[in-house]
Amino acid sequence: EAQVTQNPRYLITVTGKKLTVTCSQNMNHEYMSWYRQDPGLGLRQIYYSMNVEVTDKGDVPEGYKVSRKEKRNFPLILESPSPNQTSLYFCASSLGRGITDTQYFGPGTRLTVL
Amino acid sequence: GQQVMQIPQYQHVQEGEDFTTYCNSSTTLSNIQWYKQRPGGHPVFLIQLVKSGEVKKQKRLTFQFGEAKKNSSLHITATQTTDVGTYFCAGPNYGGSQGNLIFGKGTKLSVKP
Repeated sequence: EAQVTQNPRYLITVTGKKLTVTCSQNMNHEYMSWYRQDPGLGLRQIYYSMNVEVTDKGDVPEGYKVSRKEKRNFPLILESPSPNQTSLYFCASSLGRGITDTQYFGPGTRLTVL
Repeated sequence: GQQVMQIPQYQHVQEGEDFTTYCNSSTTLSNIQWYKQRPGGHPVFLIQLVKSGEVKKQKRLTFQFGEAKKNSSLHITATQTTDVGTYFCAGPNYGGSQGNLIFGKGTKLSVKP
């Protein structure tokens, strides 16, 4: 089944404790992206990757890191999480450029930083 | 910077009534996408519009792209409870880099049976 998977689905952590949210897709998509969703603010793009070893900032990249060593995986790293990073995070992928192709979203990761 | 505005923010309708959400961009867009997110779910792609004045239909849903390619609308005829969710529009962020996508804040639709 074609899908985007994220792990973990739920995470409660404390300020400053490094964490990684994994994202994997099995559709051989080139484009992958991370979004955060907050009430009243909609979806905001954090980082995206056009292909392996190619990443770029979205609208809210501060406090986040990403890497794209393999086509299928696009982990989101929070080196020193803070409470303002408490949010619902979605990973997405698309075949071509995300801005012109259908994006397939993962199920989401709900992160709480205490 | 570039903005994508959606109105209304919330819409409550009686089942069977029509519903429309509007999306307005501060800049001309090459294309616009629409997504639906069910409560507790993830965004799901509905459609992409590319041409000026384009109108596309999916059963009870009608999507329109404005002539100036700065606005778009989604109209649902005779809403059903299965239409409940938040509808987002999204377009390229020309103020950002090549793959930067900007979403509207969404319109949350509730349908009373």
